[in-house]
Amino acid sequence: DAKTTQPTSMDCAEGRAANLPCNHSTISGNEYVYWYRQIHSQGPQYIIHGLKNNETNEKASLIITEDRKSSTLILPHATLRDTAVYYCIVRALYNQAGTALIFGKGTTLSVSS
Amino acid sequence: EADIYQTPRYLVIGTGKKITLECSQTMGHDKMYWYQQDPGMELHLIHYSYGVNSTEKGDLSSESTVSRIRTEHFPLTLESARPSHTSQYLCASSESWTGGDYGYTFGSGTRLTVV
Repeated sequence: DAKTTQPTSMDCAEGRAANLPCNHSTISGNEYVYWYRQIHSQGPQYIIHGLKNNETNEKASLIITEDRKSSTLILPHATLRDTAVYYCIVRALYNQAGTALIFGKGTTLSVSS
Repeated sequence: EADIYQTPRYLVIGTGKKITLECSQTMGHDKMYWYQQDPGMELHLIHYSYGVNSTEKGDLSSESTVSRIRTEHFPLTLESARPSHTSQYLCASSESWTGGDYGYTFGSGTRLTVV
């Protein structure tokens, strides 16, 4: 199973880009990279996912290195409401029936004015 | 607007009581999940289901049990609550195992306190 390494915490000024790194050096060729965030103690929210190519949606951009050993989630213009725990997930629990996403410790992003 | 509903939102109950945490979704998802999260800690998968009458244990051992009699309903039961069960329980659903284009949809959670 691939595991991820994320910084415990990061700070970002409001209006600036927030770049959240994630290392996943043991990722398998067919495993995707997923990003979720959790605001306070609410249920996590899906942000974005990707396999090889860079991805962008209305919430964020995901940059995956060519060797797929690391990725970066980019929030282009961080706001105070982006303060949350951000989870990078590449591990899934597999068995004969199927698979489910396993969340790690994540990065606590603090956006300040 | 939530498409997955968890009740109760908060529950304080005495040791030894039987409790059922409710989770319902209106999206027609086959895949549903229960995660447990202590304050300030990571989420742990405790149960998941891939359809009616099909459930599996997650990567964290739990004394709770689940059932899936209807697609939209995935309740979690503790036969005899203990203080060690005090935690937040989060239910989620998805259209595919990896979440598809929209990811997992989570409910607001149930904060359980056993006294």
